[in-house]
Amino acid sequence: AQKVTQAQTEISVVEKEDVTLDCVYETRDTTYYLFWYKQPPSGELVFLIRRNSFDEQNEISGRYSWNFQKSTSSFNFTITASQVVDSAVYFCALSEVWNAGNMLTFGGGTRLMVKP
Amino acid sequence: DAGVIQSPRHEVTEMGQEVTLRCKPISGHDYLFWYRQTMMRGLELLIYFNNNVPIDDSGMPEDRFSAKMPNASFSTLKIQPSEPRDSAVYFCASDHRGTGGPNTEAFFGQGTRLTVV
Repeated sequence: AQKVTQAQTEISVVEKEDVTLDCVYETRDTTYYLFWYKQPPSGELVFLIRRNSFDEQNEISGRYSWNFQKSTSSFNFTITASQVVDSAVYFCALSEVWNAGNMLTFGGGTRLMVKP
Repeated sequence: DAGVIQSPRHEVTEMGQEVTLRCKPISGHDYLFWYRQTMMRGLELLIYFNNNVPIDDSGMPEDRFSAKMPNASFSTLKIQPSEPRDSAVYFCASDHRGTGGPNTEAFFGQGTRLTVV
């Protein structure tokens, strides 16, 4: 069965610091998708990125970057020069292709607090 | 498209009452998911539908929970009778599977915060 682990339950940083959120997953499938979602204090789930298991290239989007390493089953998320508005709970999730639709298994989430 | 629409946004009910949560998926999406978020268990999938047919309801906690999708634009999640431990945020999500696999993401509604007192 699939599993997603986010070992860091809470991280606190000062604005402008870089921060990395860890995500480790387990799956028996060779084809799967990995996601990151952001949940700000308002409660909605905001999609950040989707990566398929065949694409191990790292991705950068503005201050956000993602490091996918199949060898260690990790999909880590780095925020560069963090800002107060980055304060939120961040979820890593996994979807296996056989599920057809994006039936997501979520990690427990990491609460990021960015202090001014 | 307005996105996935859930109603109500907040619901407070007394233990033993019936509660119905509603979801309107994005037009054209053929998959619909109900998730529940609690402090203890995090985000967990309750049930999902494909083309209005329930495919996997193994996450539904007990018989008090039921979900329906009478047509492509509407789904309900019902709890009868409700209990305080059902208090949670319930999310509905939808997506579409193309020929090559799932669409880019599952689109989530704003959620319904349920409080059972």
